[in-house]
Amino acid sequence: GAVVSQHPSWVICKSGTSVKIECRSLDFQATTMFWYRQFPKQSLMLMATSNEGSKATYEQGVEKDKFLINHASLTLSTLTVTSAHPEDSSFYICSARARRDSRPMNTEAFFGQGTRLTVV
Amino acid sequence: DAKTTQPPSMDCAEGRAANLPCNHSTISGNEYVYWYRQIHSQGPQYIIHGLKNNETNEMASLIITEDRKSSTLILPHATLRDTAVYYCIVSRMDTGRRALTFGSGTRLQVQP
Repeated sequence: GAVVSQHPSWVICKSGTSVKIECRSLDFQATTMFWYRQFPKQSLMLMATSNEGSKATYEQGVEKDKFLINHASLTLSTLTVTSAHPEDSSFYICSARARRDSRPMNTEAFFGQGTRLTVV
Repeated sequence: DAKTTQPPSMDCAEGRAANLPCNHSTISGNEYVYWYRQIHSQGPQYIIHGLKNNETNEMASLIITEDRKSSTLILPHATLRDTAVYYCIVSRMDTGRRALTFGSGTRLQVQP
């Protein structure tokens, strides 16, 4: 089946620095990828939709200048947390939908393994 | 996408069937029921999905009521590795540009 790979799986950074998280679709092309954030004991919250070759679409309340998304190719989207602060510490997960069969509408969502960010 | 309601937590004995319910009373005719699970500190994993017929795969069975307002995910022989948060999601079929919206899910604890 389709695979979404996320890197790094965990990162610790100092307050004020920037961190980049990569999300790759390994065996399919993803024109759209999604970034979620998950705080402890909470559900996944959609942050933004990443579109290849165009600007990302951010959910309400998510600062686009703080969470920079770049989707430069059909297999790679990156999320950069700029000037990270302790409150940005969270579990970040990317996702992409791939076709289950030849029917364009029949897609399945695949998720990366997640990146645990700790800002100290 | 339609909203879903799930119990916050359930326990199940190892080797027994785990039946996880989900209410989706506002589901539309073109919306599917998806089930995903998330094991601690991992990304969600697809389990199964269906429209109106019952579905079965190597992981689980999905029973959807005739009026489609509720469904049950069945893990026939739960193991300790099935301990996870299970999410029931209702969404239209999509070419890939629509994100899935996660609710609170059900935390299933499989007891030895």
